[in-house]
Amino acid sequence: GAVVSQHPSWVICKSGTSVKIECRSLDFQATTMFWYRQFPKQSLMLMATSNEGSKATYEQGVEKDKFLINHASLTLSTLTVTSAHPEDSSFYICSASPSTPGRYGYTFGSGTRLTVV
Amino acid sequence: QKEVEQDPGPLSVPEGAIVSLNCTYSNSAFQYFMWYRQYSRKGPELLMYTYSSGNKEDGRFTAQVDKSSKYISLFIRDSQPSDSATYLCAMSERGNNRLAFGKGNQVVVIP
Repeated sequence: GAVVSQHPSWVICKSGTSVKIECRSLDFQATTMFWYRQFPKQSLMLMATSNEGSKATYEQGVEKDKFLINHASLTLSTLTVTSAHPEDSSFYICSASPSTPGRYGYTFGSGTRLTVV
Repeated sequence: QKEVEQDPGPLSVPEGAIVSLNCTYSNSAFQYFMWYRQYSRKGPELLMYTYSSGNKEDGRFTAQVDKSSKYISLFIRDSQPSDSATYLCAMSERGNNRLAFGKGNQVVVIP
């Protein structure tokens, strides 16, 4: 159990355009979803936490107007990188958790590699 | 002081050797301790999950938690080339879904 699907796995976009990344929990209801960013050879950096039906909580230093997060259902959250720039190029990973995390509470998607040219 | 410390130095071992990884932490409220394996360009995969102090074994993997010392370990026995990956420790408090991660150890198992 506990499968999280993330799409696309990689995307290349032009500078100034927007990119949407989807994160779906396939076999459980994800009360909470987390979005991370990871640079090469570094650990995961939490960007924001979203609870279904509520506004996302962003970590300090993360621009909420640039990284739009929507968690409209218990199985889907989206991250939209608006007006992307080359410095936004990174590996983005989502994680989903049910209301009672337990053993399978922290399941990650396979990640999205974003390249902005 | 960071919440979770994990020496990020790469580790190369010959096939069949025991891999030993560890993390220390400063937050005494951490109750749940996890080890993730991450292959290049993939999301982390949960390997081991332990609650509070003690040992847990799953196949070739053993996780140890010593809350008195704020120290956790992961041992991989009979290491295989397929174990070559980055290993991240992570932990969280009871009632708080947020994970605190270590920096990760890149492990290379040489055939």
